[in-house]
Amino acid sequence: EADIYQTPRYLVIGTGKKITLECSQTMGHDKMYWYQQDPGMELHLIHYSYGVNSTEKGDLSSESTVSRIRTEHFPLTLESARPSHTSQYLCASSEPTGTGRYGYTFGSGTRLTVV
Amino acid sequence: AQTVTQSQPEMSVQEAETVTLSCTYDTSESDYYLFWYKQPPSRQMILVIRQEAYKQQNATENRFSVNFQKAAKSFSLKISDSQLGDAAMYFCALIKAAGNKLTFGGGTRVLVKP
Repeated sequence: EADIYQTPRYLVIGTGKKITLECSQTMGHDKMYWYQQDPGMELHLIHYSYGVNSTEKGDLSSESTVSRIRTEHFPLTLESARPSHTSQYLCASSEPTGTGRYGYTFGSGTRLTVV
Repeated sequence: AQTVTQSQPEMSVQEAETVTLSCTYDTSESDYYLFWYKQPPSRQMILVIRQEAYKQQNATENRFSVNFQKAAKSFSLKISDSQLGDAAMYFCALIKAAGNKLTFGGGTRVLVKP
């Protein structure tokens, strides 16, 4: 059973709507990440956080924003959805220490379609 | 900067046969970790196997094993006795020992034929 939860699993929404993708983990991990996965399945890091009130942009520029008010919660928000935002979004977390040793734990993903 | 390259976009294997997925990487670090992740269709990405760069012995997890060639910067995954449930995208990934961010390859899709 997953210890990191993403909701919703699937979302179809109209252009211009504001949306928030939820990600929560129960493992007490300090580090959390958001990846965008394109149709070719390649993974692009768009945001990450190393703890409460710490957020950074990733390698791929994204119009989304994130917040980290609680350790367990790392939501991603799109203020005005566009068709170009259609993608799968994966949330992940890693141990407070030893990220290198243990890698990430992933959520099940949110598949977003903007029409 | 680190890079991870998976040169095989797709591999097909007969059920019960063996398939090997290739992964090469580049890093200036001497201490790092390598991973293979599996992403089944519409399901959660899970860790299959990991390898510490300082260990010469190749990691093995049941039907999954790796061939780690540090000098060649190669990290291939062998799936033995392939099962239908092995059909998925497989990602090779690298992280430096004190690092926080994984670098992923582009993925290899594995198809298993009954």
